[in-house]
Amino acid sequence: QQQVKQSPQSLIVQKGGISIINCAYENTAFDYFPWYQQFPGKGPALLIAIRPDVSEKKEGRFTISFNKSAKQFSLHIMDSQPGDSATYFCAAGGSQGNLIFGKGTKLSVKP
Amino acid sequence: DAMVIQNPRYQVTQFGKPVTLSCSQTLNHNVMYWYQQKSSQAPKLLFHYYDKDFNNEADTPDNFQSRRPNTSFCFLDIRSPGLGDAAMYLCATSRDVGISGYTFGSGTRLTVV
Repeated sequence: QQQVKQSPQSLIVQKGGISIINCAYENTAFDYFPWYQQFPGKGPALLIAIRPDVSEKKEGRFTISFNKSAKQFSLHIMDSQPGDSATYFCAAGGSQGNLIFGKGTKLSVKP
Repeated sequence: DAMVIQNPRYQVTQFGKPVTLSCSQTLNHNVMYWYQQKSSQAPKLLFHYYDKDFNNEADTPDNFQSRRPNTSFCFLDIRSPGLGDAAMYLCATSRDVGISGYTFGSGTRLTVV
């Protein structure tokens, strides 16, 4: 019940395209869903986060879509750029416990 | 800028020789975490401190210990590093458990020779 399943493991997108990464969770007590971006040799950095009271949150080119009934959430990167090439981790957490991370998606944006 | 600082960035230690990694924060966050991240894997939580309360994950080996002498500093001690302990070690902080974003340091890359 504590797992967060993330897909795909890797993703190749052309510059200007849309990158979509999906995550699914099981624990209905989770109420905080962040996405982290990690460049090689660096620690993860918080990119965007959502709480279950909204179905979508947008910050610049990054959008989280949240489907509470399906227990799924996804990250959309519009107009993907080579500088977006990184590993992306979804996570889920709640007031009773620590964040649980997905296994990560390695995104490559080709020029 | 408020931040999480890890030292050193790179650490090479001998098999079986105790090593200590350090983390400091200027965010005044209540919670400090230590994660282990191996290549192409998700960060794995080792333990965390909520203020002075230590919380160990059930599957964290006894070889790993931690100290938090004050709000700002937290240390990871590996008593007898094995080759399998070579990894990136990430320190993170949060204002509270689970409900707010974590701020990660840049990590310490540990090599065991």
